[in-house]
Parts: sequence; C-alpha cells; structure tokens
Amino acid sequence: QVTLRESGPALVKPTQTLTLTCTFSGFSLSTSGMCVSWVRQPPGKALEWLALIDWDDDKYYSTSLKTRLTISKDTSKNQVVLTMTNMDPVDTATYYCARTERYSGTNAFDIWGQGTMVTVSS
Amino acid sequence: DIQMTQSPSSLSASVGDRVTITCRASQSISSYLNWYQQKPGKAPKLLIYAASSLQSGVPSRFSGSGSGTDFTLTISSLQPEDFATYYCQQSYSTGWTFGQGTKLEIK
Repeated sequence: QVTLRESGPALVKPTQTLTLTCTFSGFSLSTSGMCVSWVRQPPGKALEWLALIDWDDDKYYSTSLKTRLTISKDTSKNQVVLTMTNMDPVDTATYYCARTERYSGTNAFDIWGQGTMVTVSS
Repeated sequence: DIQMTQSPSSLSASVGDRVTITCRASQSISSYLNWYQQKPGKAPKLLIYAASSLQSGVPSRFSGSGSGTDFTLTISSLQPEDFATYYCQQSYSTGWTFGQGTKLEIK
C-alpha cells in the first residue's frame, strides 16, 4: 500500500523559512520513473504545483516560485523535503505531497498525502 | 508555462444528470491531461489520466476525451457522491499546471 504523509509547522512568521517533510511508504524513490511533487492550495482556491523531484535526483520548480523553493530527497529515509524561503501571508495554504510514476504508471499525481495546513502570520 | 482553463467554473445539476466539464490548454499537450476530484477538506483523487484512461477503482460513469488543446470530463449519470470540485492538470511539460477548478453543486 502506497502512502504519503506531510509534516511541518502549522504556523510560521512572515520572512521565515518553511520546511516541510513528506514521508512515504510502499514505493522507492530510487525506482526508475518515480517522482514526488509538492502541491499547495490556499483556502478556497485552486491547486498549484510547486516542485518535483525524480528518481534520478532531477528537480523541477514552479516558474513563479523557483527562487524561493528547494526540494531534496533522502532515499534511505523515504523522505522528500521542501523548503520555501521568505514566507508571506499569501503563502497560507494546505501543502500536499503526491507521487507520480512517469513511465510504467499514470504520469499523474496518483497518490496524495492528507495535506498539512500552514498559516503565515505574525 | 502552459495555462489550463476550465469551464464552467461552477455547475448546478441533479442526481441522474449527464454532466460535461471542459478544459482547454494554451498550447498542444497531446494527451497529457489528467482529471481529479476533490471533496471539501480532502486531498484530490485521480479520476482520469492520459486524457481518457480510467484510474483503477474509479466508477465507469466517469469518462474523459480529447487531445491537443481541448478536453472533456463527462459524468454519465450523477450520483450524490459526485458533488465535488474537479480539476484538470497537464503533465506534458514540467510546470505541471492545474485548471482553476469546476465546482459541481446539487440543483
């Protein structure tokens, strides 16, 4: 069974750096074609893709946020970490991690974590 | 980045109705189009991938079609559990963009 779970602070102050961890099970991020993404959703708004890391350690970022984002993986721990610098109240959102199988699978976000709500406020 | 535009933004329908949601890409994305369903307070759920392939476990009343820039999601006979928000998403190029969503409400 494939599962993902997000963890991190529920509240951060403006200008601070947010660090979120996605801990997953049921697959390996060293398997060819496997990827993990971060997606966020402000309250009442649409989904926004943020970043993706793949089995080969290639990293891709949202054009509008790439200067603030860093994604990394620890294959031995089955974790993917996202950092976002210079947090602002507009970054208040639920942050999800999600899996993609690019070649043998759907090439879509087929399994999602439950999400973690992050509020940016002083 | 490729822009994804859904229509309508909201839709009222009754149980048993046939419903169609449209998604348009700002450039050709071949068949790299996915559809998700999201209920309040829950994570999105993959319904359709590669424009027309039904994800395992998804009821057959859901179907997808299209290629290039124009795509549709059809629900053949609405069930009470189908009232939710639906998103399209392109996986043609990194910068994997979503549409703005279509909220399907009970009439």
